[in-house]
Amino acid sequence: GAGVSQTPSNKVTEKGKYVELRCDPISGHTALYWYRQSLGQGPEFLIYFQGTGAADDSGLPNDRFFAVRPEGSVSTLKIQRTERGDSAVYLCASSMTLNTEAFFGQGTRLTVV
Amino acid sequence: AQRVTQPEKLLSVFKGAPVELKCNYSYSGSPELFWYVQYSRQRLQLLLRHISRESIKGFTADLNKGETSFHLKKPFAQEEDSAMYYCALLSNYQLIWGAGTKLIIKP
Repeated sequence: GAGVSQTPSNKVTEKGKYVELRCDPISGHTALYWYRQSLGQGPEFLIYFQGTGAADDSGLPNDRFFAVRPEGSVSTLKIQRTERGDSAVYLCASSMTLNTEAFFGQGTRLTVV
Repeated sequence: AQRVTQPEKLLSVFKGAPVELKCNYSYSGSPELFWYVQYSRQRLQLLLRHISRESIKGFTADLNKGETSFHLKKPFAQEEDSAMYYCALLSNYQLIWGAGTKLIIKP
């Protein structure tokens, strides 16, 4: 399967812990996006990458959130000192270039207890 | 402010009946709008992009700039259309999403 892959599919962590969420985009896709979806709501933009650089990180809620894409392929979303309000489904998407169709992963469901 | 509104959280219609899922947007400029669908236990997937003017799975959507709407329509609903539907607006390379409408097609 050549779709966007996110791991883990589910993550339960304790308040205050650090978590990393991984996204493997479709091979050859230069653009990568992270969104967060809380229960009963639509996705909310977090950050997107064009190649290795974060082109727009304006959606990251605070400095506990950080994302990297060091080689222009796999991306990791990192959350420090998790809070219960961080509980959500974190979605990753990739596209061939900006403004072409974005393909989504199945999401990582993060639960902070 | 840029915003997408889907006024119905839930829409339930009988098989064979027409379907209209409402979407209104707020955007200064020429909007680029999308409909995404999420079937049970599957990932989000693109259904329609307004600039392509395609009909996918019998669904169409027309951009009405006067009413700032992009409603999704299908003349005859099928049971396999049951899913979550999201309207989204592209702004600065990021998608702004509505809250979604759950469509249930009753047999």
